[in-house]
Amino acid sequence: SQQGEEDPQALSIQEGENATMNCSYKTSINNLQWYRQNSGRGLVHLILIRSNEREKHSGRLRVTLDTSKKSSSLLITASRAADTASYFCATDATRGYNQGGKLIFGQGTELSVKP
Amino acid sequence: ETGVTQTPRHLVMGMTNKKSLKCEQHLGHNAMYWYKQSAKKPLELMFVYNFKEQTENNSVPSRFSPECPNSSHLFLHLHTLQPEDSALYLCASSQTSAGELFFGEGSRLTVL
Repeated sequence: SQQGEEDPQALSIQEGENATMNCSYKTSINNLQWYRQNSGRGLVHLILIRSNEREKHSGRLRVTLDTSKKSSSLLITASRAADTASYFCATDATRGYNQGGKLIFGQGTELSVKP
Repeated sequence: ETGVTQTPRHLVMGMTNKKSLKCEQHLGHNAMYWYKQSAKKPLELMFVYNFKEQTENNSVPSRFSPECPNSSHLFLHLHTLQPEDSALYLCASSQTSAGELFFGEGSRLTVL
């Protein structure tokens, strides 16, 4: 079964509003990452939060992590039409030394920001 | 430009054809990945290579055959595919243990 599950599956907001997306996962993790994907394109890494961190900021992005609840949230403040994309959380539960990250992705949230 | 290049971007093939997808990374990373993205489904991890050695095969059917001749290049050889294999195939790379993946733009595969 998949590791990360996003909520909501789709979100439509007006430009200037904030967008919040949530992610829940099942097993212990090393870190949790958020990615963005424009339609039909590759994924772009947004932010990584480690299991011993609770909150992280990057520009208009704010990510929180609650390991006790196995959940994370991504907040995009002052959204823009260009933020329209799908957003995915991915959990890294890699075990073992010198292994590439084995990221397991959720189904994603489709965000639509209307001008 | 992410430093990961995939070719071709689009591919249409019949069920009896043999084709290959190519991925090249210019980032000096040691790990490379193939993911499959189908409509309405999460990204599925297919294969992981670390220092050219396959370290993950996520129960992928043998009609998909990966090849990693060096740390910069990754291929996915395709043969006798089924229509349900139509999807976006994404290649990614990372430094081992660094976590962050760098993705290519993907190869859109249609199997007729």
